[in-house]
Amino acid sequence: DAGVIQSPRHEVTEMGQEVTLRCKPISGHDYLFWYRQTMMRGLELLIYFNNNVPIDDSGMPEDRFSAKMPNASFSTLKIQPSEPRDSAVYFCASSSLDTSTNEKLFFGSGTQLSVL
Amino acid sequence: AQTVTQSQPEMSVQEAETVTLSCTYDTSESDYYLFWYKQPPSRQMILVIRQEAYKQQNATENRFSVNFQKAAKSFSLKISDSQLGDAAMYFCAYRSREAGGTSYGKLTFGQGTILTVHP
Repeated sequence: DAGVIQSPRHEVTEMGQEVTLRCKPISGHDYLFWYRQTMMRGLELLIYFNNNVPIDDSGMPEDRFSAKMPNASFSTLKIQPSEPRDSAVYFCASSSLDTSTNEKLFFGSGTQLSVL
Repeated sequence: AQTVTQSQPEMSVQEAETVTLSCTYDTSESDYYLFWYKQPPSRQMILVIRQEAYKQQNATENRFSVNFQKAAKSFSLKISDSQLGDAAMYFCAYRSREAGGTSYGKLTFGQGTILTVHP
């Protein structure tokens, strides 16, 4: 398996533009997480899905952020309109609660977002 | 809601010495997992060690071990014989396994501790 795949790896955009981050989880995993990492706030959970259904989106900063998981193999995180304070590394991660995987959370390589 | 606190923003250690990173958490649940993750400059998140809450025995992985105090809600990481490659940001994390609970499966991270290893 190729692991969790995120794209793009880097994104530079201007304030006000729409940004879409993409994630392909590991096949068979039923949990998908979106995290944001900044120097000031560390690693924050934005939203997580179980079996494609959003379970907890309390970490989503505001209405400018939205996330979807239309099927088990794809998720998007969209920011519209983007602002400079959204600049961060965004991680996607997937896992199952199957003890055969030791509950391991697999992370993607992250998307470095810069909003100018 | 569960919270995870790492009170040490930065720690340093001499190569070959031992260092302990602290983590406390708050939960009303009885069934959960605790983890330590390492994030080197490459920003890849690497699982270091995992502890099941129902197990009293502390987890060990080679030079890494934990001191799990369930009553005190404390979960510290000890790194023995520190190596230059151990330099990284370390995150403590909590994962709920309370079946039927609204946080089932949720993984919450602490703020992280930057570990510097001096040669």
